[in-house]
Amino acid sequence: QVQLQQWGAGLLKPSETLSLTCAVYGGSFSGFYWSWIRQPPGKGLEWIGEVTHSGSTRYNPSLRSRVIMSVDTSTNQFSLKLTSVTAADTAVYYCARRRGSDVIVAVRFLGYDYWGQGNLVTVSS
Amino acid sequence: QSVLTQPPSASATPGQRVTISCSGSRSNIGTNTANWYQQLPGSAPKLLIYNFNQRPSGVPDRFSGSKSGTSASLAISGLQSEDEAEYYCAAWDDSLNGPVFGGGTKLTVL
Repeated sequence: QVQLQQWGAGLLKPSETLSLTCAVYGGSFSGFYWSWIRQPPGKGLEWIGEVTHSGSTRYNPSLRSRVIMSVDTSTNQFSLKLTSVTAADTAVYYCARRRGSDVIVAVRFLGYDYWGQGNLVTVSS
Repeated sequence: QSVLTQPPSASATPGQRVTISCSGSRSNIGTNTANWYQQLPGSAPKLLIYNFNQRPSGVPDRFSGSKSGTSASLAISGLQSEDEAEYYCAAWDDSLNGPVFGGGTKLTVL
């Protein structure tokens, strides 16, 4: 059974750096796209980006200048850093596993089948 | 403003069938696969449907999905009280080179 467990600071001041880590337990760490998705309070879901086990990344263009994602295959963990946060970055942040293949377009996006529990990150002075 | 458009709310009585729509464009649903998620209050989303009409193991066959042109739909038959939740559609978008989500539909079981 695959489990994603995430952690990180929950309260930040404007201009600080958000830092979250997600550990993957069970299943393979390769062959999937390890993703971060956020949800502002009372609003919908927004894709932040993803990283593969080899360290390849893909980011949402709206956040690309502030996002860094990394992976540690020795511990099956992946991380998110979001710099220069503002109140607009206040949200529940989820890590998730994307199934699919960038090589075969027809099955590129088979959904996020496992999710972390979510972390509320609040940005306030 | 979400890239995929969903009705903000839907409602039906227990036992009925309800359908939730998700309208996109050629760069997302028109070309790529779509999936559906159920989110209960305070919980992470749960994958209900992938590749338009496939169900992950454990998802009841009361849930079904379909596609028509640049739109996708989620149907729930034999509605139960525990189906009351927020439902989101998602699809890969070629312009973004990443996934986009609908704004969500709050389903109320009357």
